[in-house]
Amino acid sequence: DAGVIQSPRHEVTEMGQEVTLRCKPISGHDYLFWYRQTMMRGLELLIYFNNNVPIDDSGMPEDRFSAKMPNASFSTLKIQPSEPRDSAVYFCASSHDKVGTDTQYFGPGTRLTVL
Amino acid sequence: ILNVEQSPQSLHVQEGDSTNFTCSFPSSNFYALHWYRWETAKSPEALFVMTLNGDEKKKGRISATLNTKEGYSYLYIKGSQPEDSATYLCAFAGSARQLTFGSGTQLTVLP
Repeated sequence: DAGVIQSPRHEVTEMGQEVTLRCKPISGHDYLFWYRQTMMRGLELLIYFNNNVPIDDSGMPEDRFSAKMPNASFSTLKIQPSEPRDSAVYFCASSHDKVGTDTQYFGPGTRLTVL
Repeated sequence: ILNVEQSPQSLHVQEGDSTNFTCSFPSSNFYALHWYRWETAKSPEALFVMTLNGDEKKKGRISATLNTKEGYSYLYIKGSQPEDSATYLCAFAGSARQLTFGSGTQLTVLP
């Protein structure tokens, strides 16, 4: 398996633009997680899905952020409109079938810079 | 907000030294404790998942222990090598099951 795939790897955009980050989890994994990593707050969970259904989105910072998982092999995290404080590395991770005890496998991350 | 703390924040050791660092987490509503290794410019890579008080896990020169009653876990590296240089993250899973990560211990092994 190729592991968790994320695209793009780097994104530079201007304030106010829409940004879409993409993730393909490991085949057969039931859980998909979106994390954000910043110097100030470390690695924090934004939202996670179980069998394509959002379970907990309490980490999503504001209404400008939205995430979808239309099928088992694809998820998007959208920021509209983007702001400079959204600059961070966004990681997608997936795990098999037991949230909390199963290992989470992380993608390479998308480094987002909002100017 | 769950408090997951790691110490020290950073550590420099000489090649061949053994070292250890600490992860502190809430002692109530414990479900699991994860350790990850995170090299610069890469993504976090799982080392261990521990669920039972007294658990000990080992992978090569790296081992970890767990005390859920007092809320801490230790990660040990025996005979550190330069390739062990990385940030070591712990993550706590409580009753909500999702992971709350500590801020990490950044280890540098000097040749």
